[in-house]
Order: sequence, then C-alpha cells, then structure tokens
Amino acid sequence: KNEVEQSPQNLTAQEGEFITINCSYSVGISALHWLQQHPGGGIVSLFMLSSGKKKHGRLIATINIQEKHSSLHITASHPRDSAVYICAVRYSYSGGGADGLTFGKGTHLIIQP
Amino acid sequence: DAGITQSPRHKVTETGTPVTLRCHQTENHRYMYWYRQDPGHGLRLIHYSYGVKDTDKGEVSDGYSVSRSKTEDFLLTLESATSSQTSVYFCAIRIGNTEAFFGQGTRLTVV
Repeated sequence: KNEVEQSPQNLTAQEGEFITINCSYSVGISALHWLQQHPGGGIVSLFMLSSGKKKHGRLIATINIQEKHSSLHITASHPRDSAVYICAVRYSYSGGGADGLTFGKGTHLIIQP
Repeated sequence: DAGITQSPRHKVTETGTPVTLRCHQTENHRYMYWYRQDPGHGLRLIHYSYGVKDTDKGEVSDGYSVSRSKTEDFLLTLESATSSQTSVYFCAIRIGNTEAFFGQGTRLTVV
C-alpha cells in the first residue's frame, strides 16, 4: 500500500518561530498538496507542487522528487497559523487502484503567543 | 471554494436508518470524490465519480453507495447506518489533473 508519512504529528511552538513540517511518500507522484484545516473547519489547499518550490506570504513549500520528500515551512509563525496541516499526493500510477488523493495523517500545529 | 456545497452540514441519525449526503458543485467539473476523516486515519477515499453515471470504489467503500445522475450533484448514501460510520465526510473536486478543492464537510453521528 502506498503510504504518506508526515512528521511531526504534533508541534507546539512560540510565536515568531520558524516552523517545518515534513512529508515523505513511497512511489512516483504527479502532484503533492499541502492542505490546512482549522479546528471544526473545512480543508483549504495551500499549495500544489510537482517540482521545486512555491512561496505564498509566510508559507514556503518545497519538494524533492528524487528523495520523495516535501517540506512546508512557516516563517514568523503566528497564533492564527494554529491548525492541522495535511500532506496529500496524487500517485502517477495507481496500479489499477482507485483514483483520488492519498493523505498523511496530519500535523497538529499550535503556536502560542 | 470552487462552488462546492455539502448538505447537510451536521446530522445525527439512528443505527439502521438510511442517510444521504449531498455534494453540489456549480462549475461542471468532471471528477468528484467522497472522503471520510477519522482521528488516527486521516482522510480516506470512499467513492469517486469521473462523470455522470460513472462511479468507482475507493479504499473504504463497504457500507456506502453513490450516485451521480447530474454533473453538479454527487450523492453518498449509507443504506443502513452503523456507529462505525460516525465521521466527518468531505466532498472534493478535481480541476485539471491536480487541483483539489474541498467542501466544508458534513459531521455525521450515528447513535
């Protein structure tokens, strides 16, 4: 079974700290998503990556296709960044299995003031 | 939000009763998905659709059926709800090959 592993599972940090969340996957992908979910809330797509690096405000996402690894960074973290961050991939070849995304279990981030 | 609406947003139902969740989109996208989200598991695919009347099973399809009679609506039915189907259900659409947009979720409690 193709797995998506995220680390850490839980992260508590102080306001202003630089945050890194990691995601690794097992086989070739066509795209990787970083998603954000606030408590009790919906799921919002932050980034979609197939190569390289993307930046939006204080958020930066990188992907290394050869190492099958992606990172999400938050600079100058703020309490409003507190949320669950989810990595999801679309595999290049599902091996005859279902279409759709495969998700990591998420990283629970708390930023304390 | 790419025009995705889920209904209802919250539902409490009794074991053994049928339940239908609706996902509605306004932009005629071909691919639609139903996922469930449970603590310790993340999101898992239940069923998906690649066009009107074209559906297929996902990872956790047992106990669920779907229908797509119109492009804009994708219905998820629990024929006889069980407590193990208590979950948060998310609908999603795919735009192009890689984009993903999610509905706001439906919190279902089976008592």
